[in-house]
Amino acid sequence: AQTVTQSQPEMSVQEAETVTLSCTYDTSESDYYLFWYKQPPSRQMILVIRQEAYKQQNATENRFSVNFQKAAKSFSLKISDSQLGDAAMYFCAYRGPYNNNDMRFGAGTRLTVKP
Amino acid sequence: DTGVSQDPRHKITKRGQNVTFRCDPISEHNRLYWYRQTLGQGPEFLTYFQNEAQLEKSRLLSDRFSAERPKGSFSTLEIQRTEQGDSAMYLCASSLAGTRNYGYTFGSGTRLTVV
Repeated sequence: AQTVTQSQPEMSVQEAETVTLSCTYDTSESDYYLFWYKQPPSRQMILVIRQEAYKQQNATENRFSVNFQKAAKSFSLKISDSQLGDAAMYFCAYRGPYNNNDMRFGAGTRLTVKP
Repeated sequence: DTGVSQDPRHKITKRGQNVTFRCDPISEHNRLYWYRQTLGQGPEFLTYFQNEAQLEKSRLLSDRFSAERPKGSFSTLEIQRTEQGDSAMYLCASSLAGTRNYGYTFGSGTRLTVV
C-alpha cells in the first residue's frame, strides 16, 4: 500500500523568506502523480502544484516549486517570497497509475507566516 | 459553475441521530469522492462514484454509513446512529475520469460534531 509521510507537523517562516516542506512516499509503481494541496483555515483545499513521475523536470507554479527526487521517493515543496496568505495546512498527496481512486494524503504540515 | 458545493457547512447532532450531507460536484465531472478528515490529519478516503455507480468503498465506511449518487450528479452521505467518533470534517471532491494528473477539486466540507 502506498503511504505518504510528512515529517514536519508545523513550520514557520518570516514573510518574504523561503520555506521548504518535506514529503516522502512509498510506492512500487514507476508511473504516478504527486500533488501539494493547501487548506487555509475553514476553507477548502486547493491544488497548489502537481508533478508527473515520468517527468524529470521539477514543476513550478509562480512562487511554488517542487524538488522531486524519484529514487529517494521525496517530493518537497518550496515556497519563495512567503506571503501572509500562504499560511495554511499543506498536504502532500500521491495518486497511482491505475483507473481507480488511490489518492493518498499525508498528515499535513501547518505553515505559519510571521510578518 | 463555481466549484464543488457542500451542504451544510456545519452540523451538530446528538449521539444516535441520523445525519445526511449533500455534495454538488462540478457539473462536467463524472467522478465524485467522499473523504473524512479528523483534526490534525490528512483526508482519508471513504468512497467514490463514477457517474451513478459506487465503485469503491473504504473499510472506514461502516454499515452505518451510506452514500448515493442517484442521477450521477449530486451525492448524499448519510450516517445513521451517529457516534462521537464520527465527529470530523467530511470532504467531497470531484474529477473527470481520464485526467489523473489534474488531481481533485474539493468542496469546503461539512464539519460534523456529535455531542
